[in-house]
Amino acid sequence: GENVEQHPSTLSVQEGDSAVIKCTYSDSASNYFPWYKQELGKGPQLIIDIRSNVGEKKDQRIAVTLNKTAKHFSLHITETQPEDSAVYFCAAGGNTGNQFYFGTGTSLTVIP
Amino acid sequence: DVKVTQSSRYLVKRTGEKVFLECVQDMDHENMFWYRQDPGLGLRLIYFSYDVKMKEKGDIPEGYSVSREKKERFSLILESASTNQTSMYLCASTWGRGTDTQYFGPGTRLTVL
Repeated sequence: GENVEQHPSTLSVQEGDSAVIKCTYSDSASNYFPWYKQELGKGPQLIIDIRSNVGEKKDQRIAVTLNKTAKHFSLHITETQPEDSAVYFCAAGGNTGNQFYFGTGTSLTVIP
Repeated sequence: DVKVTQSSRYLVKRTGEKVFLECVQDMDHENMFWYRQDPGLGLRLIYFSYDVKMKEKGDIPEGYSVSREKKERFSLILESASTNQTSMYLCASTWGRGTDTQYFGPGTRLTVL
């Protein structure tokens, strides 16, 4: 099955700096790569996703890049704000059936 | 807005008890999922269902069962709770198959004493 690895597990940045979280996956058949944000006491919520026919996608301060050859994808958050503090999960899916495979999460802290 | 609700935010049960966790979604989604979330392990899939009365095992189904009698409701059952099932349980739903957004409930933190 698919194996998704996520790094780093914790990340602290100063407000206004950029944050980058990286994930690798093992199954070349995966073709959908979402990123979820989980705030304290809440369930994960989709913030951005990318499909295998696209190399980069942006939504305001958030961007995701995908390198299918190397089987890795990354989340980039620019101009970080305290409200960006949360746990972020990457995932890979779309290979077979309905299953997503999640990374182990990155706890991001933005220091004011 | 899609809404996924879970029956309890916090539960405390004793070893050996039968535990029911319920999840309801209001968007007529075909697929529903149960995950457990543990520190350092991320989200691990327990079971999922792609239709009423249909279910498939995920990565860690041992000690759990599920029931989906109605499209909007997906129940996770711990037949005989054990301390190693203390965890956060998250329910999710999607419209289509593996390339659709998963919508999560707020989670149930279960403690088994």
